[in-house]
Amino acid sequence: DAGITQSPRHKVTETGTPVTLRCHQTENHRYMYWYRQDPGHGLRLIHYSYGVKDTDKGEVSDGYSVSRSKTEDFLLTLESATSSQTSVYFCASSYSPRTDTQYFGPGTRLTVL
Amino acid sequence: QKEVEQNSGPLSVPEGAIASLNCTYSDRGSQSFFWYRQYSGKSPELIMSIYSNGDKEDGRFTAQLNKASQYVSLLIRDSQPSDSATYLCAMPRGFGNEKLTFGTGTRLTIIP
Repeated sequence: DAGITQSPRHKVTETGTPVTLRCHQTENHRYMYWYRQDPGHGLRLIHYSYGVKDTDKGEVSDGYSVSRSKTEDFLLTLESATSSQTSVYFCASSYSPRTDTQYFGPGTRLTVL
Repeated sequence: QKEVEQNSGPLSVPEGAIASLNCTYSDRGSQSFFWYRQYSGKSPELIMSIYSNGDKEDGRFTAQLNKASQYVSLLIRDSQPSDSATYLCAMPRGFGNEKLTFGTGTRLTIIP
């Protein structure tokens, strides 16, 4: 399995507080992704990165920002958490999306009260 | 219309039978598809990829792509209880196919 870890694995926070989720990979993959997974919606892309400091929006990017200062780390920030951001967040990475699978981290369960 | 559509199920199949999972897509230009399996509470993992029309077999799994009809399917032969999971189909998109669009997944239960 690709070495992808996420932290924290579980978090409960209150509406209006900032939250940062961390994804760390040891595979030297160029591409990294943040998804959220909700019942009835499947996996939806929030943001992705195609290199250090190179990021782009996905289909549900409102309320989220990302940063990638090193190849191995991809951070997802909720500037001011809302209850609608309660979800399971998955990070993924890939060496070459055209030919390679995306490897997923174990997920972070976030609850916003 | 969603880019990738799946029947959410649940789909129940007796042990030893063939499970058939289907996915339809809207982009006629799509060239490849992926099937991911996700156990409850776990992360998705790739089980099959298919890049051309026709069938691709890997052990008990067969992926079928029909570009004319815009559907892709996954057959699981000799279904086992360990195959009980949610199966997600995914389609690359974006300028360099750097992103994936996932279906909502089909929940499969194998009945012993």
